Amino acid sequence: EIVLTQSPGTLSLSPGERATLSCRASQSVSSSYLAWYQQKPGQAPRLLIYGASSRATGIPDRFSGSGSGTDFTLTISRLEPGDFAVYYCQQYDNSSPYTFGQGTKLEIK
Amino acid sequence: QVQLVQSGAEVKKPGASVKVSCKASGYTFTSYHMHWVRQAPGQGLEWMGMINPSGGGTNYAQKFQGRVTMTRDTSTSTVYMELSSLRSEDTAVYYCATESPAKCYFDYWGQGTLVTVSS
Repeated sequence: EIVLTQSPGTLSLSPGERATLSCRASQSVSSSYLAWYQQKPGQAPRLLIYGASSRATGIPDRFSGSGSGTDFTLTISRLEPGDFAVYYCQQYDNSSPYTFGQGTKLEIK
Repeated sequence: QVQLVQSGAEVKKPGASVKVSCKASGYTFTSYHMHWVRQAPGQGLEWMGMINPSGGGTNYAQKFQGRVTMTRDTSTSTVYMELSSLRSEDTAVYYCATESPAKCYFDYWGQGTLVTVSS
């Protein structure tokens, strides 16, 4: 099974700052099959990024994804109050369908 | 607009079964695969399996093989997830989520159904 490890576990930043979240895979993942989600307390996850770098419908361009192989990054360029949440990466592979990282909590400093 | 509306919270005893429904609207029901993802309290997301509403074909995570059954009713655009032999570790919020075939990500999610397993 492909294991996704997200870091850091918790990230404390202030509104207006830049956030960089990491997702590392235990083996190479196709960029086509790497996605990022945002989850706020009591809500379902929301798709942010698919195909490693494509923004989902309605997602502001402050959110960007990058990476390939085993290392992927979600960047939020200028944090707004509504961005403080938990973020998950997710991959698909024929041998290890649909696994998620353990999440990064982005909290207000 | 795409909407996935799930059934309400359930409380079950260990060893029992639970059946959660997910009613879809706003799109052609048979055009999207439907997945189930669960989240234990304070924990991360765990994929359970998927159903193709078009033909009814399923693919379950190995962890749940033999305990989970996913079905669909095309006349009501509803997908069901039944989990049997419940144990306390199955206490979680269960989500349904759509996937455009072969896209391998989840674009629309239901609101979640809390299943509590307790004696």
